[in-house]
Amino acid sequence: DSGVTQTPKHLITATGQRVTLRCSPRSEDLSVYWYQQSLDQGLQFLIHYYNGEERAKGNILERFSAQQFPDLHSELNLSSLELGDSALYFCASSVESGGLSSTDTQYFGPGTRLTVL
Amino acid sequence: LAKTTQPISMDSYEGQEVNITCSHNNIATNDYITWYQQFPSQGPRFIIQGYKTKVTNEVASLFIPADRKSSTLSLPRVSLSDTAVYYCLVGRYSGGGADGLTFGKGTHLIIQP
Repeated sequence: DSGVTQTPKHLITATGQRVTLRCSPRSEDLSVYWYQQSLDQGLQFLIHYYNGEERAKGNILERFSAQQFPDLHSELNLSSLELGDSALYFCASSVESGGLSSTDTQYFGPGTRLTVL
Repeated sequence: LAKTTQPISMDSYEGQEVNITCSHNNIATNDYITWYQQFPSQGPRFIIQGYKTKVTNEVASLFIPADRKSSTLSLPRVSLSDTAVYYCLVGRYSGGGADGLTFGKGTHLIIQP
C-alpha cells in the first residue's frame, strides 16, 4: 500500500459524458501527478501539481483538466469522452516540487479504470 | 532533457540474474536515474535510484558507468513474481518541460519456471 488513494476504482460511462477522478496523496506529499495508461501507449504523463499550483503539463488533451485543492487532494476531469479515452488513470504523489530531483520518489495509487462505451 | 531507450521485452528463468540496460545518451549533469516496477493493473513502484557507479538495495542493484550514458538494473536470482514491466526514467525538469516524467512502454520481463 503506497498511501495514495484513488476513487473510483472502476468507472463505466458512455461517449460524450464527463467524469471526475479523485486522488488523495500521501499525508506528507505536496505534489500530485496524473498519468494515463492504455494498452498501446504505455504510461503517459498528463499533468503535475505542486501545493495547489500547476507545475508541468504533458500529453493532456484540452478536454481534460485537473486541479489540486487546499487539502492537497486532486481531481482529474475528463469531458466529451471518446472511446479512445478508455484507459487506466493513475495518480502519484511525491514530497518535492520538481519531479525527479535527487531524492524524489513518486508513490502511485491503485488507479482508476475508465471504460467508455 | 534525457530520453531513454530500453528493450521492449526480455525473458529468463527462475534463479537467474537478470540485467536490463537503459540507454540515455543525453543525460544531463544533474540528472538521476530511477527505475520503477509495474505489475498488471497496479501503479508503478519505485525500485532503485542512482547517480553514478553502483547502488544496491534489498531488491536490486543499479550499475552506472563513468560516462553515465547508460545504466543497468540487475535483479539477482529472479522468481516468478518478478514478472513485470520495468521502467527507466532519467532527469528532472524545469519550467514547463516534463521529459523526466516520460515512462514510455518499459521493458516487459517474463520469468519462466
